[in-house]
Amino acid sequence: GEDVEQSLFLSVREGDSSVINCTYTDSSSTYLYWYKQEPGAGLQLLTYIFSNMDMKQDQRLTVLLNKKDKHLSLRIADTQTGDSAIYFCADLVSNSGYALNFGKGTSLLVTP
Amino acid sequence: DVKVTQSSRYLVKRTGEKVFLECVQDMDHENMFWYRQDPGLGLRLIYFSYDVKMKEKGDIPEGYSVSREKKERFSLILESASTNQTSMYLCASSSTGGATDTQYFGPGTRLTVL
Repeated sequence: GEDVEQSLFLSVREGDSSVINCTYTDSSSTYLYWYKQEPGAGLQLLTYIFSNMDMKQDQRLTVLLNKKDKHLSLRIADTQTGDSAIYFCADLVSNSGYALNFGKGTSLLVTP
Repeated sequence: DVKVTQSSRYLVKRTGEKVFLECVQDMDHENMFWYRQDPGLGLRLIYFSYDVKMKEKGDIPEGYSVSREKKERFSLILESASTNQTSMYLCASSSTGGATDTQYFGPGTRLTVL
């Protein structure tokens, strides 16, 4: 599938904001997703955004979508140690069946 | 709540063995997926199925086969396990025509092939 790119690591201090960035290449992406994977666990859907939106807020999470630049970001406000996990960006391309195209994941480490 | 379960959390097999990984979902989802997850490579799609008895190859189907005899169950088969199939295997399901086509994941099976 088309590429979804993320930086591999991010370290922040507890209480700061975290911003995890993602770029995708397929302009026909319809939905874009953020998943969270805690150690030893499967992936859990955090939030998603439809491609005709440019922002979505859900409690401490803010998703920004720049469709022109094909750039997606996830901001976590007041980051806590429990937010330490791997975060995956994924896109759903309308003509590719039903499979998601995942990035390699960003490992977020929150230090006290 | 959607529940996706996988038959084992940890599995150790020997080279050449036939291995079955089972996945069951309880939400009547049409679509089911098998991924493998390796450090630095993220998730890679092995196979998916959008209906009973239907299957589609993903990005890395070599060395694997699948079976979908019932809607709720999707099996991944390693016909002759090899050491390079040591990995974390994740199953997911989704509903066609749902608002978001969100995929729901099982907890994963960590397979070690000796």
